[in-house]
Amino acid sequence: KAGVTQTPRYLIKTRGQQVTLSCSPISGHRSVSWYQQTPGQGLQFLFEYFSETQRNKGNFPGRFSGRQFSNSRSEMNVSTLELGDSALYLCASSLVQGFEQYFGPGTRLTVT
Amino acid sequence: QKEVEQDPGPLSVPEGAIVSLNCTYSNSAFQYFMWYRQYSRKGPELLMYTYSSGNKEDGRFTAQVDKSSKYISLFIRDSQPSDSATYLCAMKGTNAGKSTFGDGTTLTVKP
Repeated sequence: KAGVTQTPRYLIKTRGQQVTLSCSPISGHRSVSWYQQTPGQGLQFLFEYFSETQRNKGNFPGRFSGRQFSNSRSEMNVSTLELGDSALYLCASSLVQGFEQYFGPGTRLTVT
Repeated sequence: QKEVEQDPGPLSVPEGAIVSLNCTYSNSAFQYFMWYRQYSRKGPELLMYTYSSGNKEDGRFTAQVDKSSKYISLFIRDSQPSDSATYLCAMKGTNAGKSTFGDGTTLTVKP
């Protein structure tokens, strides 16, 4: 069974731009969560989607948003990028909400 | 104060050693406890998943949860160079999808 896939794997953007990251969960998994990983803050929860609805949200500003499609694929968007948004963005899928999570390889975003 | 505190490391051991990785937590609502392994430039990989207190063994790995002390551990027996990675503990309540992670412990197993 194919794992979680994330695209793109690497991205370089300029301050003030916006970016969209994509995540395809494991086939059959309906829950998708997004995390930000940085050396200083570790892994921090952004939000979780289940059945196209946001079920949980972390403590991130409104510039961070996401959505889930009917096929469970998910996207997250960051608008008005700041230097501090440089991080590894990880997507994790699970069969049902809150169950064992399986992570993708991440998208490494660099903001210059 | 963070909800989950993990021994910071780094940890360096010789091949064959027993490794102990530890986390403490403050939120009594946590019911599910996980250990992830993350290799450089990769996403975390789920190693162990336990519910409530007790031990769970999987091959060379044993996860231990002591809810009365709010303390969890991961033991690696007969450690191998391929075990060299960052280990992350994570935990969550009964219904929330959100997992709260420790900062990770970097382990190096020397041949």
